[in-house]
Amino acid sequence: AQSVTQLGSHVSVSEGALVLLRCNYSSSVPPYLFWYVQYPNQGLQLLLKYTTGATLVKGINGFEAEFKKSETSFHLTKPSAHMSDAAEYFCAVSLYNFNKFYFGSGTKLNVKP
Amino acid sequence: DGGITQSPKYLFRKEGQNVTLSCEQNLNHDAMYWYRQDPGQGLRLIYYSQIVNDFQKGDIAEGYSVSREKKESFPLTVTSAQKNPTAFYLCASSKSGSWETQYFGPGTRLLVL
Repeated sequence: AQSVTQLGSHVSVSEGALVLLRCNYSSSVPPYLFWYVQYPNQGLQLLLKYTTGATLVKGINGFEAEFKKSETSFHLTKPSAHMSDAAEYFCAVSLYNFNKFYFGSGTKLNVKP
Repeated sequence: DGGITQSPKYLFRKEGQNVTLSCEQNLNHDAMYWYRQDPGQGLRLIYYSQIVNDFQKGDIAEGYSVSREKKESFPLTVTSAQKNPTAFYLCASSKSGSWETQYFGPGTRLLVL
């Protein structure tokens, strides 16, 4: 069975500080990996995805993530947090199956002025 | 603008009542999905449909039903058999050849009276 673990249900950073949101997965084969962002009472928006190729993936709004196969991780980073980054972030994996996305439980990011 | 619309934004259900959540997309996507989101949990797949007149159960289909009579529409009915329906429901779609990129609607929050 596949699973996704997001360490820390709440993360708080100061504006301008580094953002690091952690995601680890369990899978017998390298999966497709995704990060989504959700603002209150809204749907999910795709931030970035890794399918094949370069392991460092750049997404929207200055976010990036690195696929590390040896650590089964796909942590999300942003060098400098902005107030508008405050939201909930979800990591997800898929094993190429059309219907099978596995989502983590989410990390709420709070950005302090 | 192309996108996914969900209505209503809030829905109230009485005991023993069936309610239907609407999902419409004008992205010309073949595949559509329904997810349930509970606080502190990731998204869980209820049903998905790859083409018109065909749909498959996801991980938590019990107490729910769907139809796919038109490419643009994928309504979800929460039946009285669903004993714990209070949740945030998200509809998503993806296109053939790029199924891993799912576009989400704004969601419907279902509450039980």
